[in-house]
Amino acid sequence: ETGVTQTPRHLVMGMTNKKSLKCEQHLGHNAMYWYKQSAKKPLELMFVYSLEERVENNSVPSRFSPECPNSSHLFLHLHTLQPEDSALYLCASSHADRAGANVLTFGAGSRLTVL
Amino acid sequence: GQNIDQPTEMTATEGAIVQINCTYQTSGFNGLFWYQQHAGEAPTFLSYNVLDGLEEKGRFSSFLSRSKGYSYLLLKELQMKDSASYLCAVKDSNYQLIWGAGTKLIIKP
Repeated sequence: ETGVTQTPRHLVMGMTNKKSLKCEQHLGHNAMYWYKQSAKKPLELMFVYSLEERVENNSVPSRFSPECPNSSHLFLHLHTLQPEDSALYLCASSHADRAGANVLTFGAGSRLTVL
Repeated sequence: GQNIDQPTEMTATEGAIVQINCTYQTSGFNGLFWYQQHAGEAPTFLSYNVLDGLEEKGRFSSFLSRSKGYSYLLLKELQMKDSASYLCAVKDSNYQLIWGAGTKLIIKP
């Protein structure tokens, strides 16, 4: 148990489906992140909720939309995805201050396959 | 552009020592992290270096040279459970994390 829980662990969806990934942390952290991990590529930061501000990577397509209802929960809503969106989606949390993220605690990830 | 380089894959023998290198070119530097990721699991924090020198933590040590843009992770007395990917990440001048693609370490008996 890493302290950050992601569900579902595996998801297969068609390009016309709508689904959501869920992340939950009870570590008292004040920042939560979505990362995309593709084979043999660096982790790609998608979205950050930190200090009550949302920061996003402008290269992330609009078919991905995050939601952070409170400091413990984070969602990634998926709609009309493409096969190239198949990847491992990692959620992370951390204590954050104006100097940016400190040590990240990751969830085990949601393995997404888009058919 | 910003870039982190680390070998894609390395192989080592159980009981031996292995050094995983990481070189970086970033806009500024505010610390370097190493994470371990077993297949199908969450990445977990191993070490953090912000000053030059060696940080030792049990069988694992991490070294940093800011002038050379270089770090390494040293694993001693290798065990089969050390088979994993090792991720290097640098915090740049904007305090954003820049990640390497990771090094897959294979331990053979």
